[in-house]
Amino acid sequence: SQQGEEDPQALSIQEGENATMNCSYKTSINNLQWYRQNSGRGLVHLILIRSNEREKHSGRLRVTLDTSKKSSSLLITASRAADTASYFCATAPGKKLVFGQGTRLTINP
Amino acid sequence: NAGVTQTPKFQVLKTGQSMTLQCAQDMNHNSMYWYRQDPGMGLRLIYYSASEGTTDKGEVPNGYNVSRLNKREFSLRLESAAPSQTSVYFCATTPHNREQYFGPGTRLTVT
Repeated sequence: SQQGEEDPQALSIQEGENATMNCSYKTSINNLQWYRQNSGRGLVHLILIRSNEREKHSGRLRVTLDTSKKSSSLLITASRAADTASYFCATAPGKKLVFGQGTRLTINP
Repeated sequence: NAGVTQTPKFQVLKTGQSMTLQCAQDMNHNSMYWYRQDPGMGLRLIYYSASEGTTDKGEVPNGYNVSRLNKREFSLRLESAAPSQTSVYFCATTPHNREQYFGPGTRLTVT
């Protein structure tokens, strides 16, 4: 069973625009992580936010976490063509990570 | 450092054949994981190993076995492959239940 669910499933924007994707989960967590996957490749870790944190930044990435709503969002600012990829949230209720189905992001030039 | 390596990169099997997927890491991490990813889906955990000598089932363990040979290596075996096991298989490691580092994947087709 999937713990996290991303929304939207697919997102297409123009280069330079901001992209926002959301993740909802079901059970309490220790942390929530976001990963990127380029086509045909393994996943790459982007950012980890702990359950006691509300917001975290890394370069052009901003992640928020609302544990009361069991939801998180990933904002990518000033998007670039190289940001085209699938983005997954993963929750850690324990030692294991549980992945959502991902958001497919396409950046149009 | 190679990070996480997986062999083979591609494999085609016939129904009923067996094979072992290999994963090795040079990051000195304790925990290792095997996932499968089906088209348009997220990753589902097959098995994981929290430390050398221990293994535990994940969400979809049926039809698979694993061996944590040593701290570096974690193999996944399909004893009798089925078409439903056609997927991309990823190995991952983590130092202390934090971010995971993934290998490049093995694309397996079972006909």
